[in-house]
Parts: sequence; C-alpha cells; structure tokens
Amino acid sequence: QVQLQESGPGLVKPSQTLSLTCTVSGGSISSGGYYWGWIRQHPGKGLEWIGYIYYTGSTYYNPSLKSRVTMSVDTSKNQFSLKLSSVTAADTAIYYCARTLTYNLRDPFDIWGQGTMVTVSS
Amino acid sequence: QSVLTQSPSASGTPGQRVTISCSGSSSNIGSNYVYWYQQLPGTAPKLLIYRNNQRPSGVPDRFSGSKSGRSASLAISGLRSQDEADYYCATWDDSLSGPVFGGGTKLTVL
Repeated sequence: QVQLQESGPGLVKPSQTLSLTCTVSGGSISSGGYYWGWIRQHPGKGLEWIGYIYYTGSTYYNPSLKSRVTMSVDTSKNQFSLKLSSVTAADTAIYYCARTLTYNLRDPFDIWGQGTMVTVSS
Repeated sequence: QSVLTQSPSASGTPGQRVTISCSGSSSNIGSNYVYWYQQLPGTAPKLLIYRNNQRPSGVPDRFSGSKSGRSASLAISGLRSQDEADYYCATWDDSLSGPVFGGGTKLTVL
C-alpha cells in the first residue's frame, strides 16, 4: 500500500524559499504509471493545485505559481520535492503531496500524504 | 475565489439523503470528469468518487455521484454522524491545464 509523507520546516521567513520533501513508501516512483504532485490548503479554505512531476522529471505547474515553483524528483531516495521561492504570508498553508489516480493527468489525486503546515512569518 | 462553485454548507439528520452540488463551466466540468473528496477534520482529503460516478474500493455505496452539463452532484444516502466533513468537487480545467477544486461544502449531521 503506497503511503506518502511530507517533511520540511514548519516556519519560513518572508522572501525566503519554502522547501518540502515527500517520501514515498510501499511503491516505487520510478515504476511510472502515475504523476506525483503538490496541493496546498490555506487555513480554513479550499484546495489549490501547485504542480505535478513524473519520475522522468517532466513537470507541470499552476500558472499562478509557475514563476516561483520548482519541483524535482530523486528516484534513488524515492522522494520528490517542492521549492517555492519569495514566499509571503499568503503562502501560509497546509501543503500536501499526493499521487494521481492514473497516468492520465486529468485524473487527479487518489493517495495523499497527511499534510504539513507551513507558516510564513518573521 | 474557487473556479468551481459549491454551497458553503449543507445539513441533514441521520438516515436522511443529502445532495451536494458543484457548478463550473464549459472548460472544466462541461468537458471533463468530476471527482469528489471527503475531508474529515484535521485529515487529508479522501477520494470518494472518480470519473463522475465511480467509487474507489472501500467507499460505501451510500455515496454516489452524477454529472449533467456543467454541474455535478454528490448524493449521500442513509446519512451517518461520521459523514460530517467537508466535501470538495474537482475536475480538470482546459484553460488552466490543471485540476481545479470547489470551495468545499461543510456537511453537518444534525
């Protein structure tokens, strides 16, 4: 059974870069067949897609965040990562990593990590 | 402001049937499958319905989904106290080239 776990700092200063890692267990990222992604949820609000990455390194980002987002994958560690630069208080949110239902990008996420709260504050 | 529109709240009594709606546009719901998620307090979203009306393994048949035109609905029959949660619809948006979510509906079981 595939499981995902986010890790990273819970507090980031304004203008700095938010960095999170998602560790996948119970399955191999390099097996292919799925995309891996990041979604965030502002406190008490809805869900916002951040981006997708495939094990080959192909990425797709939300246009509204594209200029600040970088996603990468480390198949040797079975991990993928998110970097969000120039953060502000508006980036304070719960960040989830997740796996798509199928290889088709139009099928969104079926397996989610538990989420990690990131606060942007000095 | 979410791309997909959901009523902020819904309620029902145990045993009742409730429906949660989600509306969009031709670039999202109108031309793509709809998905539904259940988010219990303090937990990650859980996929309830995929491709309009399919249930993942383990999801009770009390939950059902439908789509018509630019709108979709999630129906929950035989309402239980443990169904109290936030429910989100989701779909692909051709303009965004990515998934979009509704703002969520908070279901209260009275």
